[in-house]
Amino acid sequence: QQPVQSPQAVILREGEDAVINCSSSKALYSVHWYRQKHGEAPVFLMILLKGGEQKGHEKISASFNEKKQQSSLYLTASQLSYSGTYFCGSNTGKLIFGQGTTLQVKP
Amino acid sequence: DVKVTQSSRYLVKRTGEKVFLECVQDMDHENMFWYRQDPGLGLRLIYFSYDVKMKEKGDIPEGYSVSREKKERFSLILESASTNQTSMYLCASSLDPGYSPLHFGNGTRLTVT
Repeated sequence: QQPVQSPQAVILREGEDAVINCSSSKALYSVHWYRQKHGEAPVFLMILLKGGEQKGHEKISASFNEKKQQSSLYLTASQLSYSGTYFCGSNTGKLIFGQGTTLQVKP
Repeated sequence: DVKVTQSSRYLVKRTGEKVFLECVQDMDHENMFWYRQDPGLGLRLIYFSYDVKMKEKGDIPEGYSVSREKKERFSLILESASTNQTSMYLCASSLDPGYSPLHFGNGTRLTVT
């Protein structure tokens, strides 16, 4: 069962913020986040290992609520380079990815 | 840097053919994965392997098999290709997906006619 991501798509202006949510129906050991640009391989952003842990990567950070089996990715002051499709991966013994969230940042 | 190499970028096969997709990684990773990517469906796990000659089914193993005879190589086999297996196939490797990232290959775009 794939984790569910929301929203499916979002359009932003440069400088705006966005939140992408990831929800799993199974207990999570860890959560991965990746970004994929068109025609390229997914690229690793971060892993969250513990419940409630927050990690940061430049202006991109994430949280992980183990009890709720949810993770959220926060993109602040978005840049054009943030455009792409974001995937969360839920580690429940095997690594299963969500359906993706397409983010488009416009000038 | 970890390098994951998939043997073909584009592949065109006919219905019923046996198809081999090859993946090689150069970082001595124990874990390797095969995903297929379709629009709106994200990355779906076909098979994964946590050691040589070991394999586990993912969410969509039907119509596929895998082979891992050497640590660095993980092959995906379509026993009898069908048109619904037309897709982008991504291979990945990881030291341990519990706490280490997946490193993806550039993908193989397979078209079955």
